[in-house]
Amino acid sequence: SQKIEQNSEALNIQEGKTATLTCNYTNYSPAYLQWYRQDPGRGPVFLLLIRENEKEKRKERLKVTFDTTLKQSLFHITASQPADSATYLCALVGTGTASKLTFGTGTRLQVTL
Amino acid sequence: GAGVSQSPSNKVTEKGKDVELRCDPISGHTALYWYRQSLGQGLEFLIYFQGNSAPDKSGLPSDRFSAERTGGSVSTLTIQRTQQEDSAVYLCASSLVTGDHNEQFFGPGTRLTVL
Repeated sequence: SQKIEQNSEALNIQEGKTATLTCNYTNYSPAYLQWYRQDPGRGPVFLLLIRENEKEKRKERLKVTFDTTLKQSLFHITASQPADSATYLCALVGTGTASKLTFGTGTRLQVTL
Repeated sequence: GAGVSQSPSNKVTEKGKDVELRCDPISGHTALYWYRQSLGQGLEFLIYFQGNSAPDKSGLPSDRFSAERTGGSVSTLTIQRTQQEDSAVYLCASSLVTGDHNEQFFGPGTRLTVL
């Protein structure tokens, strides 16, 4: 069966360090993958999209990698700040599924001073 | 408005009652989605509207759930004969579907509590 897995345990890191979150998937052939941020009591907010033919995408302090062989995406936040504390969700669109996203359960990131 | 809005923000109802949840998407967005998020869980896809096409209802958990989108804009999600397991946050999102880029813009959600 199709599955998207994110680490359900919270990730706690110190301010200034690089946070790395993992998204693994099985039985998908995604055309692209997206990362969203969700704060408590709010809807998710889009951060980055990476296509199947791209290895890496950057936006300011964010970097996403996409390895279709390993079936894995890594999401990095460099020079992390307490304001980066949130839950981060990955989402996949399969080839030919006309924009229908499937979301992972998310990983909570806590950045401490 | 500038973003997706949803109403009500909170709804408490008794088991067996019907509820209607409303979503106002971003003007001009042709695609509209409903999701459900239970405590500590990911987003569960419910239904997807795209333009004038027939909606993708593959995520609706039972026939107690239905949704409409009138005039290609506002959408209403209806849950009939609510059950306690329906308690969750119901999120609506819209997107401007161009090519293969499908950034979804989410509303703040409606928190439904069924007593």
